[in-house]
Amino acid sequence: NAGVMQNPRHLVRRRGQEARLRCSPMKGHSHVYWYRQLPEEGLKFMVYLQKENIIDESGMPKERFSAEFPKEGPSILRIQQVVRGDSAAYFCASEGSSNQPQHFGDGTRLSIL
Amino acid sequence: GDSVTQMEGPVTLSEEAFLTINCTYTATGYPSLFWYVQYPGEGLQLLLKATKADDKGSNKGFEATYRKETTSFHLEKGSVQVSDSAVYFCALSDSGNTPLVFGKGTRLSVIA
Repeated sequence: NAGVMQNPRHLVRRRGQEARLRCSPMKGHSHVYWYRQLPEEGLKFMVYLQKENIIDESGMPKERFSAEFPKEGPSILRIQQVVRGDSAAYFCASEGSSNQPQHFGDGTRLSIL
Repeated sequence: GDSVTQMEGPVTLSEEAFLTINCTYTATGYPSLFWYVQYPGEGLQLLLKATKADDKGSNKGFEATYRKETTSFHLEKGSVQVSDSAVYFCALSDSGNTPLVFGKGTRLSVIA
């Protein structure tokens, strides 16, 4: 059974470029969460999606950040016009039914030059 | 809003020592509580969980008991190994299919 797959594992971008982070949930999971981890910090919730729907985006910055989870294909977290402060590890977690815990991917480590 | 507070690290222990990592929470309802572990360069792995008061979660020699009266979920292990070196995160969830709220993490280093 494949776990949560994230790619790329490492992503380097220059200021002003776009970053696209992908997440394929575990088989059978239809709930996806994105979290951001700054150095030496815990994970902070960004957005919660189900297929074709954003359920809760209260943790996501209003500008430059967007997320989708299309009917087919992975969930995408998109950061436009990246700045140095976007450097972090971005983790995706998926969940099946409400009685199951979230399972995490290995993360994408984003570095902004 | 909900929050989780865990003891600051780093914690350095000798092999076979007893481990306690304190975790307390603030929540309006009756959350589920979790401990996740993160090894270097990897994502978070669920270590154990408890869904109601007085539940004890256990896995790989680690234990934590859901204490509603003290709003705590302290992680314990009787005898740590070098391979337990990692960052440990305490977290809560208000209910199913809701975001997790994490503590800042506690880095554990176990030396031989």
